Amino acid sequence: DAGVIQSPRHEVTEMGQEVTLRCKPISGHNSLFWYRQTMMRGLELLIYFNNNVPIDDSGMPEDRFSAKMPNASFSTLKIQPSEPRDSAVYFCASGDRAEKLFFGSGTQLSVL
Amino acid sequence: AQKVTQAQTEISVVEKEDVTLDCVYETRDTTYYLFWYKQPPSGELVFLIRRNSFDEQNEISGRYSWNFQKSTSSFNFTITASQVVDSAVYFCALSEAYSGAGSYQLTFGKGTKLSVIP
Repeated sequence: DAGVIQSPRHEVTEMGQEVTLRCKPISGHNSLFWYRQTMMRGLELLIYFNNNVPIDDSGMPEDRFSAKMPNASFSTLKIQPSEPRDSAVYFCASGDRAEKLFFGSGTQLSVL
Repeated sequence: AQKVTQAQTEISVVEKEDVTLDCVYETRDTTYYLFWYKQPPSGELVFLIRRNSFDEQNEISGRYSWNFQKSTSSFNFTITASQVVDSAVYFCALSEAYSGAGSYQLTFGKGTKLSVIP
């Protein structure tokens, strides 16, 4: 079991650039979540998918953020254009009807 | 709306001391789940426990124990005989019951940073 795989592990970019974060959920899990962690706001749910369909994107902060899940084994979170206040750790998590969510190792994003 | 409050921002204890991390939650749901996650310095989030709202039995797992009290909306976590490896940020989280529309959508507290000093 490889767990939830996120890439890249670290991303440093300049303001205005497009950023794409990637996630491969655990095989067989039907739900996928994107969370953002900052010192000020803690862990915030951005969006979640069930069976590849977005269920709730009310946590997505602005239109600059978009997420897709083209198939059961891949999801992306895109920020275009990026801004310094987007700097955070972005976590992807997957789950099913089991007892817990499995989190990836996160992507540390720094927007200069 | 759901809310999780972890009033202790940071705690420092000396190794082998016991420590309790507090968690208070708010929800209108009658059926819900409570979780604790650990985030060590390496950054990943590690699942520790899940409890459902119908089960108020305390649980013990090695040096860890959890006290769920529905009457006070609390789900406190105690580490007995703390060790340096317990140093981490601990998050309490709440979710509504699985509805069939998706898996558990967690609302997290702000976390408590525990430092265990040798």
